[in-house]
Amino acid sequence: DIQMTQSPSSLSASVGDRVTITCQASQDISNYLNWYQQKPGKAPKLLIYDASNLETGVPSRFSGSGSGTDFTFTISSLQPEDIATYYCQQYDNLPRYTFGQGTKLEIK
Amino acid sequence: QVQLVQSGAEVKKPGASVKVSCKASGYTFTSYYMHWVRQAPGQGLEWMGIINPSGGSTSYAQKFQGRVTMTRDTSTSTVYMELSSLRSEDTAVYYCARDQGPWGQGTLVTVSS
Repeated sequence: DIQMTQSPSSLSASVGDRVTITCQASQDISNYLNWYQQKPGKAPKLLIYDASNLETGVPSRFSGSGSGTDFTFTISSLQPEDIATYYCQQYDNLPRYTFGQGTKLEIK
Repeated sequence: QVQLVQSGAEVKKPGASVKVSCKASGYTFTSYYMHWVRQAPGQGLEWMGIINPSGGSTSYAQKFQGRVTMTRDTSTSTVYMELSSLRSEDTAVYYCARDQGPWGQGTLVTVSS
């Protein structure tokens, strides 16, 4: 199975900061990567699909890039409501999907 | 709008089985695969398996092979996930998730003697 290595596992940043999370696949997954946001007690919410496409209604400060094995998720200007845990997920190895370990984002 | 509504919380004893339902609305039920994902307390997301509501075919994560069964009822646009031989480590929130979103609200399953 494809393994997804996400880093960092936790991150503390100030409002207005640029925040970057990375995800590395154990083999080439083309651009078959999602990014999710999960707030405490809530179901995950899809933010980015196909590595770089913004889901409808998601603020433009969120973006994704990468292909192959290396991917990046960026928040251009951190807002207080962005405090959450973020997960990458590959869907190249159908039908067996896998998630990264998650990145817990906190306000400094 | 697209909505997935799951059944309520369950408390089970070790060795028992649990069956969680997920009722879909707002789209053509047979047009999208459905996933099941679980999240143990304070832990990350764990993909359990997938079902094709159109034909009923399934694929399960190796970890759950032999213990999990996913089924669907096209007449009610509902998918089910049954997990057997429950142990304390199966205590988690179980989510259904339509392929590429959205997710259900989650169902807490507690396994305790």
